[in-house]
Amino acid sequence: SQQGEEDPQALSIQEGENATMNCSYKTSINNLQWYRQNSGRGLVHLILIRSNEREKHSGRLRVTLDTSKKSSSLLITASRAADTASYFCATDAVPASKLTFGTGTRLQVTL
Amino acid sequence: DSGVTQTPKHLITATGQRVTLRCSPRSGDLSVYWYQQSLDQGLQFLIQYYNGEERAKGNILERFSAQQFPDLHSELNLSSLELGDSALYFCASSEGLAGVTGELFFGEGSRLTVL
Repeated sequence: SQQGEEDPQALSIQEGENATMNCSYKTSINNLQWYRQNSGRGLVHLILIRSNEREKHSGRLRVTLDTSKKSSSLLITASRAADTASYFCATDAVPASKLTFGTGTRLQVTL
Repeated sequence: DSGVTQTPKHLITATGQRVTLRCSPRSGDLSVYWYQQSLDQGLQFLIQYYNGEERAKGNILERFSAQQFPDLHSELNLSSLELGDSALYFCASSEGLAGVTGELFFGEGSRLTVL
């Protein structure tokens, strides 16, 4: 079963706009990670946020984590056509060490 | 390039057959993870090995088995294949355990088609 659920399932925006994706999970976590997957390719790690952190930035990416609500959001600012991909959150639940992935958000950025 | 190598990239076989998927982790990584990605099931965790030993198990069918060898490469064996086993199978590796050391590095996957 999926630990994380992303919302929305699909998002279509124009280049230059911001894209926000949300992830909800069910159990306590050690950390939450976001990954990107271009169509049919392997997943690529974007950012990791630990359970004791509330916000983290990496370039045009901003991730927030609210452990009380068991939710996280990924914001991509000033999106580009090259950002078109599927984005997944992944959680490492206490006490297990496996990473469980959500269902993903398909982002389409048009020119 | 993540440094994780998976072979074969594509595989077409018939129902009832058996296949073996191979994964070479990044140099120095001790953990290997297998995931199955299909259109209707998303990315499903199958199994994890750490330094040769099974560490965690997910939704892995009894028809599937895996192992990690002393040189740390891993193989996923799929037997008595069914149409529903058609999917993209990913291997990922990490230096330690995901919760401690963080990110996973994914291979490009093995696309299995069962006819």
